[in-house]
Amino acid sequence: EIAMTQSPATLSVSPGERATLSCRASQSISRNLAWYQQKPGQAPRLLIYGASTRATGVSARFSGSGSETEFTLTISSLQPEDFAVYFCHQYNTRPPLFGGGTKVEIK
Amino acid sequence: EVQLVQSGAEVKKPGESLKISCKGSGYSFSSYWIGWVRQMPGKGPEYMGIIHPDDSKTRYHPSFEGQVTMSADKSISIVYLQWSSLRASDSALYYCARHGGPSAWEPFDQWGQGTLVTVSS
Repeated sequence: EIAMTQSPATLSVSPGERATLSCRASQSISRNLAWYQQKPGQAPRLLIYGASTRATGVSARFSGSGSETEFTLTISSLQPEDFAVYFCHQYNTRPPLFGGGTKVEIK
Repeated sequence: EVQLVQSGAEVKKPGESLKISCKGSGYSFSSYWIGWVRQMPGKGPEYMGIIHPDDSKTRYHPSFEGQVTMSADKSISIVYLQWSSLRASDSALYYCARHGGPSAWEPFDQWGQGTLVTVSS
């Protein structure tokens, strides 16, 4: 089974700053990686799929990059509504797997 | 508008059975795989498996195979997740979520609101 490792576990960022989140797969998953945002008491929301394609309605502040085993989610200028937990999800290899998440908190 | 609406919170005793539901609307329900995802407090989501409503074909994560059963009734646009004998360790928030495309290898683009299951004596 592939392992998905997200880092850091917590990221403290000031509003307006850039946030860079990492997701690493233990073996190649091509570009079959998605990113989700989850706020307290809410279901996850799809942000990015195919490693770099924004889902419908997602702000251009969010961008994804990477391939094979190394992936990055960048939030260009953090807005108050962006403070949340972010999960990556590989859907290349059975069984699909989510990462443990990165919490983006206000510094 | 695409929507997945799940059944309400449940409180059960160990050993009891349970069936929770997820009703889809606003799209061709039989055309997309629906998955179930477990989330423990403060933890990342765990993929449990998927079901195709059209033919009820299922694919379970090995950790959940034999522990739960997924089923579907496409005539009323509902998928189900059931347990025959609950354990305290089944206490969690359960989400249904729709695949973003027709294949079995897709991200989840729409999510239900979640069903909280509490198992306690």
